[in-house]
Amino acid sequence: EVQLVQSGADVKKPGESLKISCKASGYSFTSYWIGWVRQMPGKGLEWMGIIYPGDSDTRYSPSFQGQVTISADKSISTAYLQWTSLKASDTAMYYCARPTSYTISSGGFDYWGQGTLITVSS
Amino acid sequence: DIQMTQSPSSLSASVGDRVTITCRSSHNITNYLNWYQQKPGKAPKLLIYAVSSLQSGVPSRFSGSGSGTDFTLTISSLQPEDFATYYCQRSYSTPHTFGQGTRLEIK
Repeated sequence: EVQLVQSGADVKKPGESLKISCKASGYSFTSYWIGWVRQMPGKGLEWMGIIYPGDSDTRYSPSFQGQVTISADKSISTAYLQWTSLKASDTAMYYCARPTSYTISSGGFDYWGQGTLITVSS
Repeated sequence: DIQMTQSPSSLSASVGDRVTITCRSSHNITNYLNWYQQKPGKAPKLLIYAVSSLQSGVPSRFSGSGSGTDFTLTISSLQPEDFATYYCQRSYSTPHTFGQGTRLEIK
């Protein structure tokens, strides 16, 4: 059974750094892209970026390029999303998700993590 | 960036109604168009991929159509569990942008 299990909710102060995780199981981690999606409170879904753990090929949305870093550790089947200096506007739910197929131009995300709620407040 | 525009932004309907949500892309995305359903406090759920392919386990009252730049999601007969927010998403070249969402409410 494919599962994506994300790290728990966190409360941080502006300027702090953070790295959240998404542990995959039930499939070949290095064979599928994993993406990250942001959902700000009461708002819609925003595609942030995607990584291919097999070779760490990473693509970012222009809206998030330079704002976050996506990485993966294939030895432990875990993808990461990190910030070096959080802002209040980073307060959101963050989801990791796996596409339906091996290719980057796939049929959407069919498996999702449970979400990680990040609150940034002074 | 390729923009994805959904309409309407919100919609009120009754159980048993036929409902159509549209999604327009600013560029041709061939058939790389997906639809999701999201309920409050839950992760999105993939309903339809590649314009019209029903994801496993999704009821047949959901259907998708379109090509190029204009796409639709149709729910043939609304059920109480269908009241949720729906998103389209392109998955051709990155970024795989989502539409802004359509909130489907009970009339």
